[in-house]
Amino acid sequence: GQQLNQSPQSMFIQEGEDVSMNCTSSSIFNTWLWYKQDPGEGPVLLIALYKAGELTSNGRLTAQFGITRKDSFLNISASIPSDVGIYFCAGQDMNRDDKIIFGKGTRLHILP
Amino acid sequence: EAGVAQSPRYKIIEKRQSVAFWCNPISGHATLYWYQQILGQGPKLLIQFQNNGVVDDSQLPKDRFSAERLKGVDSTLKIQPAKLEDSAVYLCASTSLDGEQFFGPGTRLTVL
Repeated sequence: GQQLNQSPQSMFIQEGEDVSMNCTSSSIFNTWLWYKQDPGEGPVLLIALYKAGELTSNGRLTAQFGITRKDSFLNISASIPSDVGIYFCAGQDMNRDDKIIFGKGTRLHILP
Repeated sequence: EAGVAQSPRYKIIEKRQSVAFWCNPISGHATLYWYQQILGQGPKLLIQFQNNGVVDDSQLPKDRFSAERLKGVDSTLKIQPAKLEDSAVYLCASTSLDGEQFFGPGTRLTVL
């Protein structure tokens, strides 16, 4: 079945630093999604990518849909304390009833 | 606009007991999902409804899990009997017309 490999598993950074995380897949997706999950809450959509090569920004967040359609990355610039949380990549296959497959997440910690 | 509502937020049961979770999606959202999120993992799809019909239940352990959405609005997920490995957060999500998925806060289940 489809699998997503998300890395790194966790990150410890200083406030103000930039962050980069990525996701690779064993198969092709039509859509890549990036979510953030805070403790005790459900995931919230940050960025959606619909075309290979697409680069999309949402404030300090930038994400790209890989040319091969098997990978994506998310960058966070100038991190702030509220960026702490778990970031999930997810792939969506329109040919399979829009089923969304999630990665295992990257846990972001920000040191004071 | 109210978000996806779930109850209860927390549930502790002993193995072999039964438990039920309730979800009320965002008004007007035809598609409803139940996900299982084990600690340290991303959400895994259990079942997807389109109105009151099942679209995908391929990953639902049907020997013990059941779900229904009789009137095409709210939904219940039941586990009977529960096992230790069912301890997880159960997330409900619904999808808007443009395909964006909105998650509820989840029900954290602990099976002792």
